[in-house]
Amino acid sequence: QQQVKQSPQSLIVQKGGISIINCAYENTAFDYFPWYQQFPGKGPALLIAIRPDVSEKKEGRFTISFNKSAKQFSLHIMDSQPGDSATYFCAASKGNTPLVFGKGTRLSVIA
Amino acid sequence: DAMVIQNPRYQVTQFGKPVTLSCSQTLNHNVMYWYQQKSSQAPKLLFHYYDKDFNNEADTPDNFQSRRPNTSFCFLDIRSPGLGDAAMYLCATSSPVGLNEKLFFGSGTQLSVL
Repeated sequence: QQQVKQSPQSLIVQKGGISIINCAYENTAFDYFPWYQQFPGKGPALLIAIRPDVSEKKEGRFTISFNKSAKQFSLHIMDSQPGDSATYFCAASKGNTPLVFGKGTRLSVIA
Repeated sequence: DAMVIQNPRYQVTQFGKPVTLSCSQTLNHNVMYWYQQKSSQAPKLLFHYYDKDFNNEADTPDNFQSRRPNTSFCFLDIRSPGLGDAAMYLCATSSPVGLNEKLFFGSGTQLSVL
């Protein structure tokens, strides 16, 4: 049973375009929703995170949109750059329990 | 200024030959995790320590064991590696506030089983 479903599996975006990655979750008790970025040969690193008391959080070119009623959240990368090419994982957790990760999206930004 | 250090980066072992992966941290975090990540898949939590309290995930095979002799070090022991255990093994830590705070990952150990 996959608790966090992520799509698409892979994404190709032109430089300067908007990258959008979506996640859906099942457990309404989840109260923390981070996105992690992973470059080849490296461990994931926290990119941005949101809690369900807000519908949107923006940090630079990265924005999380959160829809509690639909149990969905998404990552938007504005003005995508080749350096953004990486694998992105959404995740979720409830209370004091470990994160559950989505399966990841491999983003390629081409010039 | 590496904060979560995993050694070695690449490890090759033989089928059935015990292997130990190591992780150290300079963050003084009290929570440490071991994840298994296979190609193009999400990291899968094997177990975690909250201080010395060991928490094993229900579906972690008995073949995987862990030791945490002190705050800074954590080890993953695979007693009899099978071909299906070939994967990237990631160590992570998190701040004392709680389990769902920011995770700091090491660069991982890529395990090959021949």
